[in-house]
Amino acid sequence: EVQLVESGGSVIRPGGSLRLSCAVSGFTFDDYGMSWVRQAPGRGLEWVSGINWNGENTNYADSVKGRFTVSRDNAKNSLYLQMNSLRVEDTAFYHCARGGHKGHYDFLNALFHWGQGTLVTVSS
Amino acid sequence: DTQMTQSPPSLSASVGDRVTITCQASQDISKYVNWYQRKSGKAPKLLIYDGSNLQTGVPSRFSGSGSGADFSFTISSLQPEDVATYYCQQHDNFPLTFGGGTTVEIK
Repeated sequence: EVQLVESGGSVIRPGGSLRLSCAVSGFTFDDYGMSWVRQAPGRGLEWVSGINWNGENTNYADSVKGRFTVSRDNAKNSLYLQMNSLRVEDTAFYHCARGGHKGHYDFLNALFHWGQGTLVTVSS
Repeated sequence: DTQMTQSPPSLSASVGDRVTITCQASQDISKYVNWYQRKSGKAPKLLIYDGSNLQTGVPSRFSGSGSGADFSFTISSLQPEDVATYYCQQHDNFPLTFGGGTTVEIK
């Protein structure tokens, strides 16, 4: 069974930093692209960032570019999101999601499996 | 960025009704639209990918169609367990973008 479990969410002050993690199981992690998607309270889904199967290619939403960094450790079956210079508008549930298989636009793809999310609250 | 305009924002229908949601892209995105279901308190679930492909394990009452800039998603016979918010999403280009969502309720 495919499982994605996010962790690392907390309450943080504006300007602070946080690192989210996503532990995966049930599939060969280094065969797939991955993404982070967030949902602010009362709002819709917003794609945040994606990374290809080997970590060599990444992409970001304009709203987080230069502040967030996505990475992965294939040996640990884990995806990460380093979040710096956090703003109140970054408050949201953050989900990791599995994309397509490598060699087929793996992170420019549908999001086939999702985790439940971890809550990040940015507040003074 | 490709904008995805989804409508209606909400709808209420009876059990057994046919329900259709539309999504219009701001540019030609070929067939690269996906549809997700988000139930309260649960992770989003992929239902349809690449416009019309049914994800494994998803009931056949769900379907998708369209290409270019105009897409639709249909529930052929609405069931009580289909109460949820549905989102379209494009993956033709970065950034991946979602429609605003359609909340489906039972009348």
